[in-house]
Parts: sequence; structure tokens; C-alpha cells
Amino acid sequence: QVQLVQSGAEVKKPGASVKVSCKASGYTFTNYYLHWLRQAPGQGLEWMGIIKPSLGSTDYSQKFQGRVTMTWDTSTTTVYMELSSLRSEDTAVYYCARTNALYCSTSKCYFEYWGLGTLVTVSS
Amino acid sequence: DIVLTQSPGTLSLSPGERATLSCRASQSVNSNYLAWYQQKPGQAPRALIYGASSRATGIPDRFSGGGSGTDFTLTISRLEPEDFAVYFCQHYDTSEWTFGHGTKVEIK
Repeated sequence: QVQLVQSGAEVKKPGASVKVSCKASGYTFTNYYLHWLRQAPGQGLEWMGIIKPSLGSTDYSQKFQGRVTMTWDTSTTTVYMELSSLRSEDTAVYYCARTNALYCSTSKCYFEYWGLGTLVTVSS
Repeated sequence: DIVLTQSPGTLSLSPGERATLSCRASQSVNSNYLAWYQQKPGQAPRALIYGASSRATGIPDRFSGGGSGTDFTLTISRLEPEDFAVYFCQHYDTSEWTFGHGTKVEIK
């Protein structure tokens, strides 16, 4: 069964960086892309970016360009999301998620599998 | 950028009642890329509907989706106790994924 296991909660000071991991299992890692999303307390969901291991590339939401770096390690089937220059507004639960299909441009895509989430708290 | 507006913000209903949730897009969208999710406190979202009207695996048939163009609906035919939660609509368009702000379905 597909599982996405995320790293534990983090507390960071403003201006610092945070790196969250997500280990994927139960499927062929390079057959799907993985996404990062976040949800601030009491708020909606916000898509941050996508990791495409088979293509060796990433795409980021314009909102996070320049501040987010997404990487992966195929040998451990783990993806990472690093967010820098943290501010209080970055306090949120960060999720990794996988869609039901590889090519969303030609399929009815949705986020089928989710990690449990990682709470990142930014506070001085 | 497409903006998804959900209404109402909160829906107060009793178990057994019918719930109708709305999601309106700021411009016409491809219904193939419209999905609905349920989220309970402290949990990750769970997909309910994709392609505007297809139920995701394991979703009971009391959940149904419909709509096209700019107006989409999620209907829960008879609310069960476990259905009281927050519901989000979501759209995908050329590498951008957008969510509505959610509708909370609470017990009246």
C-alpha cells in the first residue's frame, strides 16, 4: 500500500530555514510525481510545488519561488522541501501528496495519497 | 489565476439531512480537473470526488458531484455522523493547483 511518511514537527525562529522530509513507499518511486502543500492554522490548502523524479525537475508555485527548494533522493525514495527566510506567516502544517496519475494534463488528476503532515512553527 | 469561491462558509444541518455545497470558479474551467476533499480535525484531506463527478476509491455513494463551467456542487444525500467536517474544492490547470477556502458542515 502507498505510504508517505513525513518527518516530525519543527520549531524555528524568524529568518531561519526548515527542511521537511517525506519517505514514499508502496509504489515505484519514479512512476509518479510528488507534491508539497501547506495549510496555515484554520485556513485552506496552498500548493507549493511539484517534484518530478523521472524528469529530474521541479516546478514551484510563483508565491514560493526563490524561497523554496525541493529535492529528492531516489535511492531512499525520499523527497524534501526546504523553505528559507521563515516568517510567522509560514507557520503551517506541511503535507506531501501524490496524485492518482502521472500525467495530469491527460488524466483526471487528484491528490490520492497524503502524508500525515508536519507542523512547522515559526516563532521568536 | 483561477480563484475558487466556496459557499456557504458554514452549513448547519442535522444527521439525515441533505447537504449541498457550492464551488464557483472565477472563470470557466475544465471539469476533468475539479476535485472535492473532506478534512477532519488533525487529519490530512481525503479525496471524495474527481473529474467533477467521479467518486474516488472507497467513497460511499451518498457523496456526489456535479457541475460544469464555473459552477460545481458537492452533494451529500443523507448526512451521517462521520460526514461533519470541512470540505474543499480544488482545481488543476497547467502546473497550478488551487483550492477553495472550504465549507464547514457542522451539526445543528
